[in-house]
Amino acid sequence: DIQLTQSPSFLSASVGDRVTITCRASQGVSSFLAWYQQKPGKAPKLLIYAASTLQSGVPSRFSGGGSGTEFTLTISSLQPEDFATYSCQQLNTYPYTFGQGTKLEIK
Amino acid sequence: EVQLLESGGGLVQPGESLRLSCAASGFTFSNYAMNWVRQAPGKGLEWVSAISGSGDSIYHADSVKGRFTISRDNSENTLHLHMNSLRGEDTAVYYCAKRNEFWSGSYGGYYFGMDVWGQGTTVTVSS
Repeated sequence: DIQLTQSPSFLSASVGDRVTITCRASQGVSSFLAWYQQKPGKAPKLLIYAASTLQSGVPSRFSGGGSGTEFTLTISSLQPEDFATYSCQQLNTYPYTFGQGTKLEIK
Repeated sequence: EVQLLESGGGLVQPGESLRLSCAASGFTFSNYAMNWVRQAPGKGLEWVSAISGSGDSIYHADSVKGRFTISRDNSENTLHLHMNSLRGEDTAVYYCAKRNEFWSGSYGGYYFGMDVWGQGTTVTVSS
């Protein structure tokens, strides 16, 4: 199975900050990598697919990059509604694994 | 409106069975692979099972293989998860999710993402 490791697991930041979350795969997943945002008590929301393509309706302050085994999710200027947990998922090979999540908290 | 609505969760004892359902609406259900994803209390997301649009291809995580079975009824636009021999570690919120196929001009191919999720149904396994 492909393991995904996110770093950091917790991130404290302020409104207006630029933050980057990294997702590393134990083996190559090409660009079959998606990012999700989840708020407490809610279902995940797809932000990015194909490693770098923004899902419709997602603000342009979100961006994704990488391919193969290393990927990033960047939020260019944090807004109050961005404080949530972010998870990566590989959809290259079954089982479709998720990273452990990164909780983004307000400093 | 595209929507997924799970049902069937509840409190069961270890070793018992449960069947979850997910009613789909607003899209051509049979055209899409569907998934179950779960989240244990305070933990991250765990992919559980997937089924192709036709139902011909099925995949399960090792943690549930032999105990859980995914199925679908395309005539009823419904996805199911049959869970047997439930354990405490199966306690979680279970989400159904639609896997979409997106054309990427940048990469010249189709890529996947789970773009529609239900609200989740809670399964608690405890004596």
